[in-house]
Amino acid sequence: GEQVEQRPPHLSVREGDSAVITCTYTDPNSYYFFWYKQEPGASLQLLMKVFSSTEINEGQGFTVLLNKKDKRLSLNLTAAHPGDSAAYFCAVSSNYGNEKITFGAGTKLTIKP
Amino acid sequence: GGIITQTPKFLIGQEGQKLTLKCQQNFNHDTMYWYRQDSGKGLRLIYYSITENDLQKGDLSEGYDASREKKSSFSLTVTSAQKNEMAVFLCASSINWGGLYEQYFGPGTRLTVL
Repeated sequence: GEQVEQRPPHLSVREGDSAVITCTYTDPNSYYFFWYKQEPGASLQLLMKVFSSTEINEGQGFTVLLNKKDKRLSLNLTAAHPGDSAAYFCAVSSNYGNEKITFGAGTKLTIKP
Repeated sequence: GGIITQTPKFLIGQEGQKLTLKCQQNFNHDTMYWYRQDSGKGLRLIYYSITENDLQKGDLSEGYDASREKKSSFSLTVTSAQKNEMAVFLCASSINWGGLYEQYFGPGTRLTVL
């Protein structure tokens, strides 16, 4: 089945700096990709989503890049602020019509003043 | 918009006890899920249900039972709680955009077993 590897597990950057979180997946038929944000003590909030036909998606200070050839998905934060401190999870849906998604292990992002 | 509610928010049980967690959604979504999240870790799928009275096993179904009594509710039972077990159980439901599923999560139930 699908395997999703997320790196790094922990990331600390200064306020105003950029940050990049990367996921690689194994199933070439993967079709729909997600990034979730989880603030401390809270549940998962859908942050961004991208279809296989879309390479770039932007919003809320983040950019998502999808490279289907390399089976790599990245979340790029251009200018970090304290409210971005959270855990981030990528998730991948393999095959059209599949109700299940496979999550990465998560990245704990800390923004330092 | 809609909302997913999970009860209870905190659950403390004894070793060997049978414990039930409940989830309700008013999105009118067909598919619902139960995940387990251990501290600092990712999500593991326990059970999911694509419609009322349907059950599908996930990767972590052993030690758990589930019940989809009606479209809006999905229950999870820990059949025999293990001592020192501590995790957050997350319920989700998904909207189906013509074969593309997006999952939305509830606030979670935090389980502690003494």
